[in-house]
Amino acid sequence: GAGVSQSPRYKVTKRGQDVALRCDPISGHVSLYWYRQALGQGPEFLTYFNYEAQQDKSGLPNDRFSAERPEGSISTLTIQRTEQRDSAMYRCASSPRLAGGVLSSYNEQFFGPGTRLTVL
Amino acid sequence: AQSVAQPEDQVNVAEGNPLTVKCTYSVSGNPYLFWYVQYPNRGLQFLLKYITGDNLVKGSYGFEAEFNKSQTSFHLKKPSALVSDSALYFCAVRDAGYGQNFVFGPGTRLSVLP
Repeated sequence: GAGVSQSPRYKVTKRGQDVALRCDPISGHVSLYWYRQALGQGPEFLTYFNYEAQQDKSGLPNDRFSAERPEGSISTLTIQRTEQRDSAMYRCASSPRLAGGVLSSYNEQFFGPGTRLTVL
Repeated sequence: AQSVAQPEDQVNVAEGNPLTVKCTYSVSGNPYLFWYVQYPNRGLQFLLKYITGDNLVKGSYGFEAEFNKSQTSFHLKKPSALVSDSALYFCAVRDAGYGQNFVFGPGTRLSVLP
């Protein structure tokens, strides 16, 4: 079956421009996470959703970063007025509910291929 | 606050030998622990997890990990390494009582030499 997809796979933009990164989770997955991964480091949590509700956005670096998941499926991470320090791999992951409809904090996550953002 | 340490940036092992990739963690409550693997130009793939119960958990591709509460460790192991196991390995923790925020370690690059 189809996995998590992200688009674009690569994005080069100029400093000061806005970018929108898209994540399409596995069909039926309830939870969706956004991470940022610098080269040679582990993923850094940004934010996550259960259905359409943003549960935790404590990892967003500043107010230039925002995310939405309006219909509980596709999500968009938007970075306004990009800066060179925003250059990184942005990864999305989704997670299913357990059998019986229970949301659980110990489900494994299924990661997308990432979007490589380069800000010039 | 949650944290994860992977003390080795790089682990080299000969094919056929046992391998260990180390992970230690810190959480306030009970930990949920995970291992993920990342192959070049690919997303992270789930290997195994510890939630509760038996301290030795088995996962994909012959990997296993042992939860040690007193040492706050969750080392990844495999009895006989394959060249195809060469990849970047990430340990992750989530505090069971803290919500759904994963914290990942910095990663360990495993190289299995033929």
